[in-house]
Amino acid sequence: QQQVKQSPQSLIVQKGGISIINCAYENTAFDYFPWYQQFPGKGPALLIAIRPDVSEKKEGRFTISFNKSAKQFSLHIMDSQPGDSATYFCAAYQGGSEKLVFGKGMKLTVNP
Amino acid sequence: EPEVTQTPSHQVTQMGQEVILRCVPISNHLYFYWYRQILGQKVEFLVSFYNNEISEKSEIFDDQFSVERPDGSNFTLKIRSTKLEDSAMYFCASRRTGNEQFFGPGTRLTVL
Repeated sequence: QQQVKQSPQSLIVQKGGISIINCAYENTAFDYFPWYQQFPGKGPALLIAIRPDVSEKKEGRFTISFNKSAKQFSLHIMDSQPGDSATYFCAAYQGGSEKLVFGKGMKLTVNP
Repeated sequence: EPEVTQTPSHQVTQMGQEVILRCVPISNHLYFYWYRQILGQKVEFLVSFYNNEISEKSEIFDDQFSVERPDGSNFTLKIRSTKLEDSAMYFCASRRTGNEQFFGPGTRLTVL
């Protein structure tokens, strides 16, 4: 119930392509869904986040799509760049709780 | 830009020894966290700390673990008697208000 399932585990795209990462959850009490980006040797850094009352949020090349009825959300990276090569984690947060629940992460490689 | 710092970056210890992992959260933040990531697995919540006391802990955070904010800047995680399965990357995080947690670069703990 507290899990967030993330897929795929890894992805290789060409420069300029679209990268799509999917996540699913079961706990309907989750009310905040952030995506974190992690480069080697660094901690996770917040990339973009969404609440379930919004179906889509866009910041630059990054877009979250949220499907509340399906309990799924995804991150789309448009015009992927080699500098986007990193590990991406989806996460979920329940109001009243302090903990972020993370997905397993996806390693993205963008080839030049 | 202010950031969370952690020391050491890598700690090697013998099974049964005590270790203390140190974190300096962002200076005006009020909530503090420890997470861990076993190699190849997801980031897992350990404990949250607010107003000088534990506000939430996971089932992982048993009697072998303790946290402390000994002064106005440091936040520590102590593992009393390390086990092989404690080998992981440990991340400290902090936040002021709102949902965004800022993560440090992590300490890699290796228990031999």
